[in-house]
Amino acid sequence: DAKTTQPPSMDCAEGRAANLPCNHSTISGNEYVYWYRQIHSQGPQYIIHGLKNNETNEMASLIITEDRKSSTLILPHATLRDTAVYYCIVRVGYGNKLVFGAGTILRVKS
Amino acid sequence: DTEVTQTPKHLVMGMTNKKSLKCEQHMGHRAMYWYKQKAKKPPELMFVYSYEKLSINESVPSRFSPECPNSSLLNLHLHALQPEDSALYLCASSQEGGGQVPGNTIYFGEGSWLTVV
Repeated sequence: DAKTTQPPSMDCAEGRAANLPCNHSTISGNEYVYWYRQIHSQGPQYIIHGLKNNETNEMASLIITEDRKSSTLILPHATLRDTAVYYCIVRVGYGNKLVFGAGTILRVKS
Repeated sequence: DTEVTQTPKHLVMGMTNKKSLKCEQHMGHRAMYWYKQKAKKPPELMFVYSYEKLSINESVPSRFSPECPNSSLLNLHLHALQPEDSALYLCASSQEGGGQVPGNTIYFGEGSWLTVV
């Protein structure tokens, strides 16, 4: 599995964009980048995923560098309810494993 | 609808008890998962079922026994657990096809909190 590196924690002001970085320098050409978040005491929630191109949905945007060695999850207007642990995960090239790293604790402050 | 339902939400059991955790999904997914999460740690994969057959066992102790009675249901039978097995147990499901299938997103339930006394 490609390993991911995320900062352990980040703060963001309410209403501002939250930019969460992730390094995955050993990613293979056919591996996807997935982002999940886990709000305290709840199950992980799927946010977004991508392969090469930038992706956007109603929750967030995913920016993947051209060499695919890093990515950034963008929450355009963070709210207090976005406070959570955010996990950047690279899916293995076969099978059904989804392996979580330590993640980034995002604290949105008023 | 991307709902995975887990019951019970909370379970307290003694070390000699036998209990079960249950998971249900009605999304037509053919892959189902059990994860274990200790406090302040990321979820750890335990088992994967693919088309009702066990495809991945991450060297989980035999006191945890998974069962997939049909494509919508997944159980985790618990017997002779230890206090250190106390954790949040997460069920998840996805379309089958492995990590190469676009849209093969894994959806999680809210988990069952297990306390072993």
